[in-house]
Amino acid sequence: AQSVTQPDIHITVSEGASLELRCNYSYGATPYLFWYVQSPGQGLQLLLKYFSGDTLVQGIKGFEAEFKRSQSSFNLRKPSVHWSDAAEYFCAVGPGAGNMLTFGGGTRLMVKP
Amino acid sequence: DGGITQSPKYLFRKEGQNVTLSCEQNLNHDAMYWYRQDPGQGLRLIYYSQIVNDFQKGDIAEGYSVSREKKESFPLTVTSAQKNPTAFYLCASRLWQGDFVGYTFGSGTRLTVV
Repeated sequence: AQSVTQPDIHITVSEGASLELRCNYSYGATPYLFWYVQSPGQGLQLLLKYFSGDTLVQGIKGFEAEFKRSQSSFNLRKPSVHWSDAAEYFCAVGPGAGNMLTFGGGTRLMVKP
Repeated sequence: DGGITQSPKYLFRKEGQNVTLSCEQNLNHDAMYWYRQDPGQGLRLIYYSQIVNDFQKGDIAEGYSVSREKKESFPLTVTSAQKNPTAFYLCASRLWQGDFVGYTFGSGTRLTVV
């Protein structure tokens, strides 16, 4: 069965500092990988996705992620965090049965001024 | 603009009541999904439907029911058998064309038992 682990439940960074959110997955074939962001009480917004090809993918809002097959990881990075980046971030892998996505538990990002 | 509409945004349920959460999409997507979100547990799949008049249980289907009579609509009923229904519920739809897969999420319904 597929699964996703986000080891960090909470992360606090200072504004302007760099950010890396970790994501490890378990999947039987080449996965489709996604990062979503969620503001409080809102739905999910897609930041970026990986299907195939270049293992470094660029997303919206200055985010990027790197697929590392050997480490079963898909970590999200941003060189300089802005206060508006404070939110919860979810990594997801698919497709599973019914082509559904399996999500990690999420990482809540707090940004210090 | 195309998208997914979930209603209501907030819903309150008394003990023993059934309530229905609405999910409507105008994206012409074939598949639709219901997820439940609890703090620290990410999103867990309740039910999904890949075509009209067909749906499958997800990981936590007990106490929930769905229908898919129209492509655009996938309502979720939280029954009195669901012992801990207080949560945030997200509906999603999926487009798959060739190598492209995309998922669209609604803005969610927060259900509270009072």
